[in-house]
Amino acid sequence: SAVISQKPSRDICQRGTSLTIQCQVDSQVTMMFWYRQQPGQSLTLIATANQGSEATYESGFVIDKFPISRPNLTFSTLTVSNMSPEDSSIYLCSVGTSGTQETQYFGPGTRLLVL
Amino acid sequence: SQQGEEDPQALSIQEGENATMNCSYKTSINNLQWYRQNSGRGLVHLILIRSNEREKHSGRLRVTLDTSKKSSSLLITASRAADTASYFCATDPMNTGFQKLVFGTGTRLLVSP
Repeated sequence: SAVISQKPSRDICQRGTSLTIQCQVDSQVTMMFWYRQQPGQSLTLIATANQGSEATYESGFVIDKFPISRPNLTFSTLTVSNMSPEDSSIYLCSVGTSGTQETQYFGPGTRLLVL
Repeated sequence: SQQGEEDPQALSIQEGENATMNCSYKTSINNLQWYRQNSGRGLVHLILIRSNEREKHSGRLRVTLDTSKKSSSLLITASRAADTASYFCATDPMNTGFQKLVFGTGTRLLVSP
């Protein structure tokens, strides 16, 4: 298994500002993912963070709004840019294991409220 | 949307009773996984069942998978108050990329003492 931490755990931000969320893993992992969970909803995949290359975004999510960095195999950041109240969500990072284990391990999430 | 559907949306039971949650999905899959989320926090992986498996057990958990009906069920036996949480199924669809999970809508389980 992998131990994942996220910073900050929660934040309250003003509209128009940006917030960068950090995800740190205690071991080197190949796959890192970022999800959004809107209030009372399920999780939606934002993007796959690829080490050494640009992130791969899912339909409905764009790099200008959610820039992602993945400088090494244990760390990634997600920035929520030019925030609006509709961006109020829990943002979770997860890591995938390679080989025969397909389980994903999730961080504790970052709860974001945009006023 | 490819998102899976879960029912019931909410389930309220007494301690000691069994809880059954159902998940339906739309595409062919490599595997299906169940996760638990306590109070909007991170997700905890519970169990994974592969597309060639029909049933799997882990402690008080029993998962079934019917790929012909594109459905799965999660049974929690002898429930405890600590089982109160939201439960999500997640599918790993074929041909969409490595481990790109698609989550269901979730079931909120309340277990009363």
